[in-house]
Amino acid sequence: QSALTQPASVSGSPGQSITISCTGTSSDIGGSNSVSWYQQHPGKAPKLMIYDVGNRPSGVSDRFSGSKSGNTASLTISGLQAEDEADYYCGSYTTNIHVVFGGGTKLTVL
Amino acid sequence: EVQLVESGGGLVKPGGSLRLSCVGSGFTFTFSHAWMSWVRQAPGKGLEWVARVKNGGTTDYVAPVKGRFTISRDDSRNTLYLQMSSLKTEDTAVYYCATSETLNAFDIWGQGTMVTVSS
Repeated sequence: QSALTQPASVSGSPGQSITISCTGTSSDIGGSNSVSWYQQHPGKAPKLMIYDVGNRPSGVSDRFSGSKSGNTASLTISGLQAEDEADYYCGSYTTNIHVVFGGGTKLTVL
Repeated sequence: EVQLVESGGGLVKPGGSLRLSCVGSGFTFTFSHAWMSWVRQAPGKGLEWVARVKNGGTTDYVAPVKGRFTISRDDSRNTLYLQMSSLKTEDTAVYYCATSETLNAFDIWGQGTMVTVSS
């Protein structure tokens, strides 16, 4: 099972919106509604930001939203803030109920 | 609040073995209810799901560790294990245990334990 494909880096200015894509196949993202997104600050454990494509856990800001079209999932962060600067990973269940992650995207807030 | 605490990491030579542990506490349901996974992260690299044990004991592994790693659980001790053998330098990583009580995602993570495989 190959890793999902994410851009290595994205950047935006405070207040702007950015979108991070995550491309897989019909065996993972395309065939699953269990797509999730994680935020990771340096030296910390990942934190769940989005689950089941577009749902936010309790306590996660509504500036974070997720969507999916075909084999590609997307994470959008609106109203960028300095504390959003982190690495972001997508994850998906596969058709054989394994889990695959993306390679990660470094978000820089300019 | 659910907490997961890993231990057992360290420095081991290629071909060696190591056993990681993860103790869970504060579960709303019970530890035995949860599907428990190990996720690793090599230095400067991304996340990689390694293995999972379901409630009831069924196990799954990512291809690179199949036949070398064994995941298990002791529900009486609220503890998850990862027995790693025939270790390779590419197994060097921070190993996290991760789970969820209700979601098809990982909303509960431990702090991680570092495994270094080097001669």
